[in-house]
Amino acid sequence: KAGVTQTPRYLIKTRGQQVTLSCSPISGHRSVSWYQQTPGQGLQFLFEYFSETQRNKGNFPGRFSGRQFSNSRSEMNVSTLELGDSALYLCASSWLQGRITEAFFGQGTRLTVV
Amino acid sequence: QQQVKQSPQSLIVQKGGISIINCAYENTAFDYFPWYQQFPGKGPALLIAIRPDVSEKKEGRFTISFNKSAKQFSLHIMDSQPGDSATYFCAASRSGNQFYFGTGTSLTVIP
Repeated sequence: KAGVTQTPRYLIKTRGQQVTLSCSPISGHRSVSWYQQTPGQGLQFLFEYFSETQRNKGNFPGRFSGRQFSNSRSEMNVSTLELGDSALYLCASSWLQGRITEAFFGQGTRLTVV
Repeated sequence: QQQVKQSPQSLIVQKGGISIINCAYENTAFDYFPWYQQFPGKGPALLIAIRPDVSEKKEGRFTISFNKSAKQFSLHIMDSQPGDSATYFCAASRSGNQFYFGTGTSLTVIP
């Protein structure tokens, strides 16, 4: 069974640009969550999508947005990039049916803003 | 406010020893407590998880101890091996919708 796939693995962008990251969840999983990981702040929740609807949102500015498609694949977008947006962006996939709540992470996209 | 507090920040253990990492949480609505292992350049991998209706769960060399009244849980790695050297994160969630992570523990197992 394929795991969570995130593309691209690495990105270098310039301040002010925008970027789109992609996440393909484990087959059958309908929930996709996004996290930002930095050495200073650790793992912080960005947002969660379930069946194409955003159900939860973390404490990030509106420059961070996302969406989920009918096949459960998800994208997140960051506009007007700032140096502080440099981080590892992780996508987590969950079944979220009944008591099954395990979340499985992809390898992440390493974003560097210069 | 940090919803999940993790300690220690770093840990050095001899091969064959026991590694113990502790976490504490505030929100009594949390109902799922996983531990993740992360190697450099990789995403976090689910190691073991527990729900508050049990006090202990063991999977191989890994054990979670859970104290609901104290709002604390810990990871014990028995017979620690150099291959266990990684960063470990505890987390908590309510129904799996949003995870709150601890700040991580860097474990080094010395041969």
